[in-house]
Amino acid sequence: GAVVSQHPSRVICKSGTSVKIECRSLDFQATTMFWYRQFPKQSLMLMATSNEGSKATYEQGVEKDKFLINHASLTLSTLTVTSAHPEDSSFYICSANAGTSGRNEQFFGPGTRLTVL
Amino acid sequence: AQSVTQPDIHITVSEGASLELRCNYSYGATPYLFWYVQSPGQGLQLLLKYFSGDTLVQGIKGFEAEFKRSQSSFNLRKPSVHWSDAAEYFCAVVNTGGFKTIFGAGTRLFVKA
Repeated sequence: GAVVSQHPSRVICKSGTSVKIECRSLDFQATTMFWYRQFPKQSLMLMATSNEGSKATYEQGVEKDKFLINHASLTLSTLTVTSAHPEDSSFYICSANAGTSGRNEQFFGPGTRLTVL
Repeated sequence: AQSVTQPDIHITVSEGASLELRCNYSYGATPYLFWYVQSPGQGLQLLLKYFSGDTLVQGIKGFEAEFKRSQSSFNLRKPSVHWSDAAEYFCAVVNTGGFKTIFGAGTRLFVKA
């Protein structure tokens, strides 16, 4: 089946630094990838939709200058948390759509645990 | 607006007992429906999905779900729970016109010996 990887799986950084998280579709091309944020014991909240070759679409309330998304190729999307603060600590999960509509399954990455000290 | 409701925050069942996790959705048409499972600190694994056709859907690990349009529900069931089924379960919908996935709040399943 389709595999999505994330790197790193876990990152600890100091407040004020920037952190980049990579999401890769390993055996398929993904024109659309999604970034979710999950707080402890809570559900996944969609942050943004990442489209290859174009600007990401952010959900209401998500700061686009804070969470920079780049989808430079059909197999890679990156999320950069700029000037991270402790409140940005969370579990970040990406997913990739293997088809051209929501009918096709989204494949989820294993997640990245970000801890900002 | 689309929404997904999982009324039970957590459920405890005995190993070997049957399980039903509830999911209700709000959407103007029939959406695409999914159930995912998440173990602690892990990503999501798809259990099953419904697009159209037979309203009883079979998934992996012995799970099944039934789509009931009249009740706007998509409940997940398993006839005999195993201790390894203890995890968080998410119901999700995707609108038929696009990609956006809306997740329910999740139900934490505890399995007791």
